[in-house]
Parts: sequence; C-alpha cells; structure tokens
Amino acid sequence: QKEVEQNSGPLSVPEGAIASLNCTYSDRGSQSFFWYRQYSGKSPELIMSIYSNGDKEDGRFTAQLNKASQYVSLLIRDSQPSDSATYLCAAAPNQAGTALIFGKGTTLSVSS
Amino acid sequence: EAGVTQSPTHLIKTRGQQATLRCSPISGHTSVYWYQQALGLGLQFLLWYDEGEERNRGNFPPRFSGRQFPNYSSELNVNALELEDSALYLCASTAFLQETQYFGPGTRLLVL
Repeated sequence: QKEVEQNSGPLSVPEGAIASLNCTYSDRGSQSFFWYRQYSGKSPELIMSIYSNGDKEDGRFTAQLNKASQYVSLLIRDSQPSDSATYLCAAAPNQAGTALIFGKGTTLSVSS
Repeated sequence: EAGVTQSPTHLIKTRGQQATLRCSPISGHTSVYWYQQALGLGLQFLLWYDEGEERNRGNFPPRFSGRQFPNYSSELNVNALELEDSALYLCASTAFLQETQYFGPGTRLLVL
C-alpha cells in the first residue's frame, strides 16, 4: 500500500529559527510532491509543489526532494508564530486515476 | 478568481439520516476530489469525479456516494449516517491533467 509518512510532532521552534519538516514516501514511481499548511479547523492551503531533485525556494519556504532516498522536506526560515499549523506532505502516485496520497501531517509550534 | 466553495459550512444530523454536501470547483477546473478528515486524523480519500464520471473511490462503504454535474460542481451524499461519520469533509479541484489540488473551506458534519 502506497504511503506517505510524517512525524506527527509537535515540532517546537523559537521565533526566528529554521523549522525543518520531513516526509518519506513509499511509491518509488511518484514524481510530484506537495506541501500544504492546515490551520486548526481550516482546510489545507497549498504552500509549494516540487517535481525535480534538489531545492525549490519560495520566499521563506524551501522544499527539498531526494527521489533516490524517497524523501521530501520543507524548510521554513525565520519562523513566525503565524507559521504554527499542521503541515501535510502529499505525493502523486505514478498511476493514472489515483488521488494524491497525504501524510498525517506534522504539527509545528513557533513560540514568540 | 473565486476559489473552491463548499456548502453548507456546518451540518448537524442524527444517526440514520442522510446528508448532502455540495462543492463548486475553481472556474475551469474539471476534476473534483472529496476527502474525509476525522478529528485528529489525516485526510482520507473518498471519491474522485472528472468530466461527470466517478473515476475512483477510496476505501469507504457504498453509502458514501456522489455525482458531478455538467457545470463540474459536485455533490457528496452520505446515507444511513453513523456517529463515526462526524468529520470535516473537504472538496478539492484540479485543472485538466493537473495534479495540484486546491481545497475548499470544508463542511463540518456532526452526527448525533
């Protein structure tokens, strides 16, 4: 069964620090990966997508992908209290007709 | 551009009743996905509709069903409600042949 694994946390970092969120996936054929942020009681909001090995930067966020290790990460620089949320990692299976596979999420808490 | 919309925002039902949830995708998007997120749990894939057809469904009983209309909006029906159906129901849409999913605000269903 295809899975996406995340450490549930909580991950606690002080304001201004770098938060590092990690995710592994089981489907070696997956080519596309996504990070969503979900505030408590709200719906997931897309932060970034990544398709190629290496780093992809967008503002304070950097996504990293290593297909050989089947590993995806999200770095949040200069963490702010408003970044406190659950972060969901998702992988698109390499199979037509299947939905994204979501991890259970990592809860991040940024203290001021 | 309007995002994905869902109605109602909240729904309270009793055991054995039926619930109908609605979703309108982003303009131009043709695929609609439904997910269930029970409290403290991850996103569970329910159903995928594209071009009016059910393309795939997750590991849920047949009392979870739905349809997609010619304008690409979608409806999720849950029959014979059970207490454990209480959850946040999320709808997401994608453009044709795209994998990036954009979520609506969700419908919170409470079964008493």
